[in-house]
Amino acid sequence: QVQLVESGGGVVQPGESLRLSCAASGFTFTNFGMHWVRQAPGKGLEWVTFIQYNGNNKYYADSVKGRFAISRDNSKNTVYLQMNSLRPEDTAVYYCARDMDSAYYLYYWGQGTLVTVSS
Amino acid sequence: EIVLTQSPATLSLSPGERATLSCRASQSVSSHLAWYQQKPGLAPRLLIYDASNRATGIPARFSGSGSGTDFTLTISSLEPEDFAVYYCQQRSNWPPAFGQGTRLEIK
Repeated sequence: QVQLVESGGGVVQPGESLRLSCAASGFTFTNFGMHWVRQAPGKGLEWVTFIQYNGNNKYYADSVKGRFAISRDNSKNTVYLQMNSLRPEDTAVYYCARDMDSAYYLYYWGQGTLVTVSS
Repeated sequence: EIVLTQSPATLSLSPGERATLSCRASQSVSSHLAWYQQKPGLAPRLLIYDASNRATGIPARFSGSGSGTDFTLTISSLEPEDFAVYYCQQRSNWPPAFGQGTRLEIK
């Protein structure tokens, strides 16, 4: 069965960096694009970024453009989110999700990892 | 950028009743709209894609309709496990965007 397991969350101070990982299993990783979506405490869902199946195309929400970078290692079935210059408003649970057949719907989701940015 | 507005913000109903949730887009998204269910402490789950197609394993009591700017998620007869928050999401224009959610609570 499809599994997505996020890791790397934690508490950091404003301006610091953090790298999240999402390990995928149960499907052919190289066939699917991957998303990161976040959810601030008590708030709704915010799409953050997407990487194409082969890593050639990447897209970002305006709120993170220039600060966050998505990447993938298809040999390790893992997608990453490098987060730099973190701000308190980046505090959220970060979910990775598998795309649905290049349809940009989010078919399978991980359990999420909490990132807290606070001084 | 397309904005999705969901209504109502909160819907209070009893098990066995019919639920109708709305999602309105600021411009046409054709049929490129999905619905997700999220229960407390859990990740969202895809229910409906392309406005009216149920995802794998989703019960038939969930149905979606609409096109253009107005969409509806209907739950024909509420089960206790259906009380949750529901989000719509469009993929017609970049970036993908979610609505703010509708909380379906037990009356």
